Amino acid sequence: DAKTTQPPSMDCAEGRAANLPCNHSTISGNEYVYWYRQIHSQGPQYIIHGLKNNETNEMASLIITEDRKSSTLILPHATLRDTAVYYCIVRVADSWGKFQFGAGTQVVVTP
Amino acid sequence: DTAVSQTPKYLVTQMGNDKSIKCEQNLGHDTMYWYKQDSKKFLKIMFSYNNKELIINETVPNRFSPKSPDKAHLNLHINSLELGDSAVYFCASSQDLGGETQYFGPGTRLLVL
Repeated sequence: DAKTTQPPSMDCAEGRAANLPCNHSTISGNEYVYWYRQIHSQGPQYIIHGLKNNETNEMASLIITEDRKSSTLILPHATLRDTAVYYCIVRVADSWGKFQFGAGTQVVVTP
Repeated sequence: DTAVSQTPKYLVTQMGNDKSIKCEQNLGHDTMYWYKQDSKKFLKIMFSYNNKELIINETVPNRFSPKSPDKAHLNLHINSLELGDSAVYFCASSQDLGGETQYFGPGTRLLVL
């Protein structure tokens, strides 16, 4: 699976959009981009995933560049409860559920 | 209702002891996993089971023995505990082996003294 690079930390003001970048320049054509987050002292939580097209669900939007070498997770209206470590993971579909979690980005939402 | 539950939540024990962590999911999923999160916060997969069959064993020492009595349960037994086993252990489940959306339990914090 391709590696990802994320900033170690970022701050965001409550109510504003949080844009979390992820670089995955060695991504292969059959690899998906997944985002999970881990709120302090809890298990990771699935957010969203995509292959080529932009995706949106009730939690977030995922924007993948045309060359697929990077992506951005957008939390449209950040709340204090969005403070967490956010993991960007690249993985081949049907790879038996195996996720390689990196260090992620610590996002702190401030009032 | 808790989707993925683990017991105990905390476990403090002496080196050399044997301990078990239990995991149950009520989502009707076919696939279950064990992950280990060490002190540096890196989360690594240890095992996955699909319909009670072992699918992934990520070169985990054989002191760790998972057991799946049915597809709703995946327990982790650890023999001869070592200091380096201190970590948070997460159980997770997914609908099937594709495992795109995994649901994680709250974690078991193991401290070996």
